[in-house]
Amino acid sequence: ILNVEQSPQSLHVQEGDSTNFTCSFPSSNFYALHWYRWETAKSPEALFVMTLNGDEKKKGRISATLNTKEGYSYLYIKGSQPEDSATYLCACNFGNEKLTFGTGTRLTIIP
Amino acid sequence: EAGVVQSPRYKIIEKKQPVAFWCNPISGHNTLYWYLQNLGQGPELLIRYENEEAVDDSQLPKDRFSAERLKGVDSTLKIQPAELGDSAVYLCASSFGTSGVSGELFFGEGSRLTVL
Repeated sequence: ILNVEQSPQSLHVQEGDSTNFTCSFPSSNFYALHWYRWETAKSPEALFVMTLNGDEKKKGRISATLNTKEGYSYLYIKGSQPEDSATYLCACNFGNEKLTFGTGTRLTIIP
Repeated sequence: EAGVVQSPRYKIIEKKQPVAFWCNPISGHNTLYWYLQNLGQGPELLIRYENEEAVDDSQLPKDRFSAERLKGVDSTLKIQPAELGDSAVYLCASSFGTSGVSGELFFGEGSRLTVL
């Protein structure tokens, strides 16, 4: 069984603070990692797709890193804003053309 | 460009009743996915289509669930009869190509099913 694990499960962050959370996965047969943001009552939206060890991607205040050798990815949010409140889903592909999702990190920004 | 459209957004039914969900993917996306998301869990793949062919339905409970993608565009997911444990969000997604490497998925807003 190929498990994708995310931590923490939930997180409350003061507006303006920076934060980060983790996605862990088995490094064998790793092919790609996806990060999605899912706001309440909306559809999940892709943030990043990463494949190479050492990859770093950035979109505005959000960035992500990938370590395929040790099996983890970090998602960073700098200067959190209320609109960042969402569930952040990590998903991995292990070469079987299927995405295995983690259970998500629910982020709440406190104004 | 229109995104992935799902309907209904919400459905409440009594157990043993049938229910159907509809999905219209992004134009030109040949791959369509149905995911099931239980409360507190990550989405789990039910079925994946490439054009009109179901290429992975290994996780679809075929005794009560069925799906079709006629003409390789719209898709319908049906449950008959529904059970209490089917209460969940049913997500449809599409992509150009498969999700194997760099193909991000484009999701609909989901259909939330409550079975009483």
